[in-house]
Amino acid sequence: NAGVMQNPRHLVRRRGQEARLRCSPMKGHSHVYWYRQLPEEGLKFMVYLQKENIIDESGMPKERFSAEFPKEGPSILRIQQVVRGDSAAYFCASSQAGVDTIYFGEGSWLTVV
Amino acid sequence: KNQVEQSPQSLIILEGKNCTLQCNYTVSPFSNLRWYKQDTGRGPVSLTIMTFSENTKSNGRYTATLDADTKQSSLHITASQLSDSASYICVVSATYAGKSTFGDGTTLTVKP
Repeated sequence: NAGVMQNPRHLVRRRGQEARLRCSPMKGHSHVYWYRQLPEEGLKFMVYLQKENIIDESGMPKERFSAEFPKEGPSILRIQQVVRGDSAAYFCASSQAGVDTIYFGEGSWLTVV
Repeated sequence: KNQVEQSPQSLIILEGKNCTLQCNYTVSPFSNLRWYKQDTGRGPVSLTIMTFSENTKSNGRYTATLDADTKQSSLHITASQLSDSASYICVVSATYAGKSTFGDGTTLTVKP
């Protein structure tokens, strides 16, 4: 679990600002997933990426949200013009292949004030 | 539509008691089923992973079972401890590369 690194762990943004969440997958993993967890709710899939490609973004809101996983560097989840409803824990996970065990990071807690 | 349903939604037991959590799924074609434990404020941690041919798998006091015919799995916790208080999440993957299907979890509270 400790192998997937997310930062920042906690982020406070004012309404209308941008939030950038970073995720470095476990060594040797080329598959990255982002999940959102609202308070008192389960994990909800957002997006699945492989290096430089978005494989499945069916869980991403159509506006303001974007994700990338460049050839070099961490995966980035970007939320533009944040609103109070974006306040949640955002978890990144990685795997070696698409059906392998998914390992989670410790999450990034976004609070929009 | 691929779905994973867990029951009960929440459970309270006394320390030292056993309990069983249920997971029913409709994911197809089935590849594997995993149980995760998520402590409050932490990321989920994998407890067990089972493929089609496996009926049971243990990890310490945690024992998972799988019935691929009825598409049901259970997680049995023996001699519960206070540290078992957490959310337990059932995750099922299909045999193609892509996202897994998550259940909403069972929140377990172990009281002294």
